[in-house]
Amino acid sequence: DVKVTQSSRYLVKRTGEKVFLECVQDMDHENMFWYRQDPGLGLRLIYFSYDVKMKEKGDIPEGYSVSREKKERFSLILESASTNQTSMYLCASSFPGIRGFFGPGTRLTVL
Amino acid sequence: QKEVEQNSGPLSVPEGAIASLNCTYSDRGSQSFFWYRQYSGKSPELIMFIYSNGDKEDGRFTAQLNKASQYVSLLIRDSQPSDSATYLCAVRGAFLYSGGGADGLTFGKGTHLIIQP
Repeated sequence: DVKVTQSSRYLVKRTGEKVFLECVQDMDHENMFWYRQDPGLGLRLIYFSYDVKMKEKGDIPEGYSVSREKKERFSLILESASTNQTSMYLCASSFPGIRGFFGPGTRLTVL
Repeated sequence: QKEVEQNSGPLSVPEGAIASLNCTYSDRGSQSFFWYRQYSGKSPELIMFIYSNGDKEDGRFTAQLNKASQYVSLLIRDSQPSDSATYLCAVRGAFLYSGGGADGLTFGKGTHLIIQP
């Protein structure tokens, strides 16, 4: 079974802190994605990567950066966390053109 | 900007009836269409996908696609209380990013379905 894991289910950080969210997949997928999900706004794509060291901005990249040094791992970085980044963060992975699998999500609260 | 529209609901359906969930999309070049189910506090899980016009059936679920009308729907027959969830419609377009192949989905905001016992 495909497994996408995320480093934390719940995270509480303070404004201005640097935050790392980690995602690991075990199916050798080329594509990995970071979404955030907010009530009334749905799922929005932050960044995605289609290969190691490759990244592309999604719909809402501002305030975020990503890193993909190894194929199985895709990190989302909040350089200086702000309260409007309080959200559910979902990682997903897929082969190109094939169904994607989501991780369990990280609920981040920024105080 | 690609858009995927869904009625947010809640859509309330009696147990045993057919639940009908609808989705429209703006990008006429869209190639494939997905329905995800998301229980409260959980991540989305794929339940159906469809690429061609017409119907696709899988157990109690039927996905229907009409590319001319830019419309995709999900029917759930013999609805059960366990079907109560938010259903997300997602669309994959025909775009290619540099390097090719990456294919993020555009999601609708979801329809909250309640099956009443």
